[in-house]
Amino acid sequence: QVQLKESGPGLVAPSQSLSITCTVSGFSLTSYGVSWVRQPPGKGLEWLGVIWGDGSTNYHSALISRLSISKDNSKSQVFLKLNSLQTDDTATYYCAKPELGWFAYWGQGTLVTVSA
Amino acid sequence: DIQMTQSPASLSASVGETVTITCRASENIYSYLAWYQQKQGKSPQLLVYNAKTLAEGVPSRFSGSGSGTQFSLKINSLQPEDFGSYYCQHHYGTPYTFGGGTKLEIK
Repeated sequence: QVQLKESGPGLVAPSQSLSITCTVSGFSLTSYGVSWVRQPPGKGLEWLGVIWGDGSTNYHSALISRLSISKDNSKSQVFLKLNSLQTDDTATYYCAKPELGWFAYWGQGTLVTVSA
Repeated sequence: DIQMTQSPASLSASVGETVTITCRASENIYSYLAWYQQKQGKSPQLLVYNAKTLAEGVPSRFSGSGSGTQFSLKINSLQPEDFGSYYCQHHYGTPYTFGGGTKLEIK
């Protein structure tokens, strides 16, 4: 069955970079995309970006200068890197599998706190 | 980017009641709209896609409607497990955007 699982650092200092890995199973990254979505504590969902099966990417317009999504098909892993973190980047970060744009499968999420 | 506006932001209702949540898109998204339910501390769960198609396993008391810029999610005969937060999301191409959410609480 389709599964996604995020792993992240938990705590990151301001101005540093964030790296999170999403490990998937039950589908091939060469055929399907993976998106990243985040949710600040007590707030709503924000779509961050997607990497498609062919390796192409699309990003949230406000984050395009700080965000990078990549993958390793052989390891079934997708990577999010977000630079120059600020306190308002504190959030639970989810990876999710887009069907035709909607998300039927989500990871459990990983909470990232930006703090000195 | 397409903006999604949900209303109300919060809603209080009793078990057995019928409630409706609305979502408005800033431009025509045809029927490319999804709805999610999220319980506290859990990942979102897909309820509806293509505005009115129920996801697998979703009870028939949930229904989605609308097209263009105006959409709604209706929940008939509220059950205790229906309380939580609800989000709309357009899937009319990237960048995808979510509505601000509706928190449904027990009265």
